[in-house]
Amino acid sequence: AQSVTQLGSHVSVSEGALVLLRCNYSSSVPPYLFWYVQYPNQGLQLLLKYTSAATLVKGINGFEAEFKKSETSFHLTKPSAHMSDAAEYFCAVSLVSSNTGKLIFGQGTTLQVKP
Amino acid sequence: GAVVSQHPSWVICKSGTSVKIECRSLDFQATTMFWYRQFPKQSLMLMATSNEGSKATYEQGVEKDKFLINHASLTLSTLTVTSAHPEDSSFYICSARASSDTQYFGPGTRLTVL
Repeated sequence: AQSVTQLGSHVSVSEGALVLLRCNYSSSVPPYLFWYVQYPNQGLQLLLKYTSAATLVKGINGFEAEFKKSETSFHLTKPSAHMSDAAEYFCAVSLVSSNTGKLIFGQGTTLQVKP
Repeated sequence: GAVVSQHPSWVICKSGTSVKIECRSLDFQATTMFWYRQFPKQSLMLMATSNEGSKATYEQGVEKDKFLINHASLTLSTLTVTSAHPEDSSFYICSARASSDTQYFGPGTRLTVL
């Protein structure tokens, strides 16, 4: 069975500091991995995805994530936080071989950016 | 980019009434759409997978007679909450699966049942 664990339900950083949001997955087959961002009272916006190509994936808004198979991790980073990055972030996994395309979401991490 | 819309964005209804929520993929065709429910400060819970032209597949614990899903075209899926009760109040989000295997999410519908 697949699962996703996001370490830290709440992360607080200062504006301009490094953002690191952790995600570990469990999957018996090669996964597709995703990071989504959700602003209050809105749907989810895709930040980036890993689909078995380059292990370092660059996304929108300056975010990137690195797929590390040996560590079963897909951590999200951004070199310098902006106030506008404050939001809820979700890591998700889906089966490469799945015809349904179902996503399994992590619990979410709230990013707070302090001035 | 791929855009998914939902209508309405928020709705308030009386207990016992039914509410229909629409999910549309605006610039791509989606053979598969998904319906999620999200409680405050929590992650998304998949309710059902909606396939165009066939019956929806519901997740365990989701009442299919209460949450009716229709996916009549490649760009439209609807979720009808029948005989709504206050415990059905929640944020409902749909997503549409593009050919690239990426899901694109709608903005969500806030349902409040009085």
